[in-house]
Amino acid sequence: EAQVTQNPRYLITVTGKKLTVTCSQNMNHEYMSWYRQDPGLGLRQIYYSMNVEVTDKGDVPEGYKVSRKEKRNFPLILESPSPNQTSLYFCASARGGGSNEKLFFGSGTQLSVL
Amino acid sequence: DAKTTQPPSMDCAEGRAANLPCNHSTISGNEYVYWYRQIHSQGPQYIIHGLKNNETNEMASLIITEDRKSSTLILPHATLRDTAVYYCIVRASNSGYALNFGKGTSLLVTP
Repeated sequence: EAQVTQNPRYLITVTGKKLTVTCSQNMNHEYMSWYRQDPGLGLRQIYYSMNVEVTDKGDVPEGYKVSRKEKRNFPLILESPSPNQTSLYFCASARGGGSNEKLFFGSGTQLSVL
Repeated sequence: DAKTTQPPSMDCAEGRAANLPCNHSTISGNEYVYWYRQIHSQGPQYIIHGLKNNETNEMASLIITEDRKSSTLILPHATLRDTAVYYCIVRASNSGYALNFGKGTSLLVTP
């Protein structure tokens, strides 16, 4: 089944403790991205990647890192999480045929930073 | 990307058609109309998109007015599982993959 898989589904951590949220897709998609969703602010893009070893900042990149060493994986790294990064996070992917392609989203990671 | 306006909420009885409107009066010629939905706290799900012709797939129909200033998403026989927030997004084909979701319409399907 074609899907975008995120792990973990829920994560509670403390300020300053490095964490990684994994994202993997099995559709051989070139494009991958991370969004965060907050009440009243909607979904905002954090980082995106057009292909392996190519990453770019989205609208809210501060405090996050990403890497794209393989086509299928696009982990989101929080080196020193802070409470304002408490949010619902979504990974998404799309084929690289052009920005007309539809996005496939993972089922989300609810992160709480205490 | 052009701005969209959607009603904040709508109700629909189960089994009836749900018609969700979207205004995009500043849409330009190369911008597509996309619809996604998000069931509570799940990842957004693509529904349908179109440029100027009406479109239909297994999930829904998209009706775009001739002047392209508005569109309607139609769920022909709404079920309880269609309760979700529906987002109308206008985006040019060359504007990158990022989506501006806005606030959407919260559709409640009632028994």
